[in-house]
Amino acid sequence: DVKVTQSSRYLVKRTGEKVFLECVQDMDHENMFWYRQDPGLGLRLIYFSYDVKMKEKGDIPEGYSVSREKKERFSLILESASTNQTSMYLCASKFDGAYGYTFGSGTRLTVV
Amino acid sequence: GQNIDQPTEMTATEGAIVQINCTYQTSGFNGLFWYQQHAGEAPTFLSYNVLDGLEEKGRFSSFLSRSKGYSYLLLKELQMKDSASYLCAVAYGNNRLAFGKGNQVVVIP
Repeated sequence: DVKVTQSSRYLVKRTGEKVFLECVQDMDHENMFWYRQDPGLGLRLIYFSYDVKMKEKGDIPEGYSVSREKKERFSLILESASTNQTSMYLCASKFDGAYGYTFGSGTRLTVV
Repeated sequence: GQNIDQPTEMTATEGAIVQINCTYQTSGFNGLFWYQQHAGEAPTFLSYNVLDGLEEKGRFSSFLSRSKGYSYLLLKELQMKDSASYLCAVAYGNNRLAFGKGNQVVVIP
């Protein structure tokens, strides 16, 4: 089974801090994604990456950046965390051409 | 852009059948997914439709009509563990997936 592992289940950070959310997958998937999920808004795509060092903006990239230095790892960076970035963050991965996403278990981030 | 609509919540009795609808408007349609998500957990894959018609998988079935921009997920013989949010998601463009807001199903004894 494909595993997508997110480094933290719960995280509490202060406003203005730089925050790193890490995601690792173990099945050599080319594509990796970061979503945030908020009540009443559903899952919204922040960024995705289709190859090492490649990235594309999703629907809500403002306030975020990403890094993909190795194929198995995709990091989401909050340069200066704000309270409106309090959310559940979900990482996913998939093979090229295959449409099934596999999700990590999520990181619930609270910014105080 | 992508527009995906689902009802927000429904309640059903254990053993019953429930139908969850999803309508969508999208460019570059590459298929439609249904995911199940229990509270505090990651979404898990239920079904994928790319051609019109009904796909059956045990107690769950999913239907797609591309001309109408419509899909439904049918849950039969409801069990308490089926209480969850059901997410409709449309694949489009280059490996992208757009999600609806999810339909919360509450199963009561």
